[in-house]
Amino acid sequence: EDQVTQSPEALRLQEGESSSLNCSYTVSGLRGLFWYRQDPGKGPEFLFTLYSAGEEKEKERLKATLTKKESFLHITAPKPEDSATYLCAVQAGGTYKYIFGTGTRLKVLA
Amino acid sequence: EAGVVQSPRYKIIEKKQPVAFWCNPISGHNTLYWYRQNLGQGPELLIRYENEEAVDDSQLPKDRFSAERLKGVDSTLKIQPAELGDSAVYLCASSLDGTGSEKLFFGSGTQLSVL
Repeated sequence: EDQVTQSPEALRLQEGESSSLNCSYTVSGLRGLFWYRQDPGKGPEFLFTLYSAGEEKEKERLKATLTKKESFLHITAPKPEDSATYLCAVQAGGTYKYIFGTGTRLKVLA
Repeated sequence: EAGVVQSPRYKIIEKKQPVAFWCNPISGHNTLYWYRQNLGQGPELLIRYENEEAVDDSQLPKDRFSAERLKGVDSTLKIQPAELGDSAVYLCASSLDGTGSEKLFFGSGTQLSVL
């Protein structure tokens, strides 16, 4: 069964304290792995797509990496405005269905 | 460019009442999705449309939920009758082509409370 597991569920960081979020997945025929950011009261907003193991993408303080079993979202020197829920999703090859994890709630303290 | 527009933003109803949600996707996007997001959970697919055809409705509770996408543009999701467990955020998303590995564009959602 296609599945996505994110950890930790919640993370509190001091401003400037770097860390990583994990997304483990099992899927038949990965077409793509997606990271989204969701602010309270809003829909998810796209961050990155990764397609194959070894691929990396960067945007400001965020860097996403992918292996055959998991993806990491690295946050370098975070700021309070990075506080949000980060969602990971995989797209299954046969069904084209997007399967979301439950997210990591990140709080960055000033 | 306008994003995905959903209405209403909030809806409070009593159980057994009907409710409807409306979504206008990004212009030119062929694929439209309805997701349900429970508190503290990730979005779960209810139905996916390619143009006006529902290509995946396997997770839609068909005894009480219905959806339509007229002319392959706007879409409406209906619940009749609503149950307490239907309280959630209903998200609409769109993408250019559902068979590509493309990012989804989400609306802000409709927060439904069933009392």
